[in-house]
Amino acid sequence: DTEVTQTPKHLVMGMTNKKSLKCEQHMGHRAMYWYKQKAKKPPELMFVYSYEKLSINESVPSRFSPECPNSSLLNLHLHALQPEDSALYLCASSPGGAVGAAKNIQYFGAGTRLSVL
Amino acid sequence: QQQVKQSPQSLIVQKGGISIINCAYENTAFDYFPWYQQFPGKGPALLIAIRPDVSEKKEGRFTISFNKSAKQFSLHIMDSQPGDSATYFCAASPGPFGNEKLTFGTGTRLTIIP
Repeated sequence: DTEVTQTPKHLVMGMTNKKSLKCEQHMGHRAMYWYKQKAKKPPELMFVYSYEKLSINESVPSRFSPECPNSSLLNLHLHALQPEDSALYLCASSPGGAVGAAKNIQYFGAGTRLSVL
Repeated sequence: QQQVKQSPQSLIVQKGGISIINCAYENTAFDYFPWYQQFPGKGPALLIAIRPDVSEKKEGRFTISFNKSAKQFSLHIMDSQPGDSATYFCAASPGPFGNEKLTFGTGTRLTIIP
């Protein structure tokens, strides 16, 4: 099973709302990622969690707040977003670690389509 | 130095033909080179990946060719089918710990015509 599950699939929110995106994997992967993807563009890395600790923050605005409650779950809390934040938000996971040919393979979820009004 | 350049931006191939997408990189620390396939409304799915210690890897109709000295790699899709119509992204990462940033190419929109 190489499934990364994201909920919700679609989200519409106003600029004053607070919402959360959820990501779950049960592959025992130790690294989890949030990406943002605009139409006809490649995914852009936002955050990386490694062994439940934030290891990379790509200078993302503070209105996006990641959280890793345990090794299987990754949340992205959204607050006071702007219309330009409308995009497909993708979660991914990889085995991680220093050993093994498959350590780098990132498995992506289907994404949450976010619209900010 | 972090960029991965991908070409062409779009590609139209007849059914049964060979589709070829090229990528080039500058960062010599890159150690892992995957290709992803993405259908509209879906997340990217890993197609095939290679490390610099081999020059070619084949999985079914998909082949990666890797030229370490030229810092280039390419995806060949043999006997292209309409179901292969999708956007393809090459990517690269340093790779020592399995939790590094993946740098994506700009994508190629592939259309296979009957």
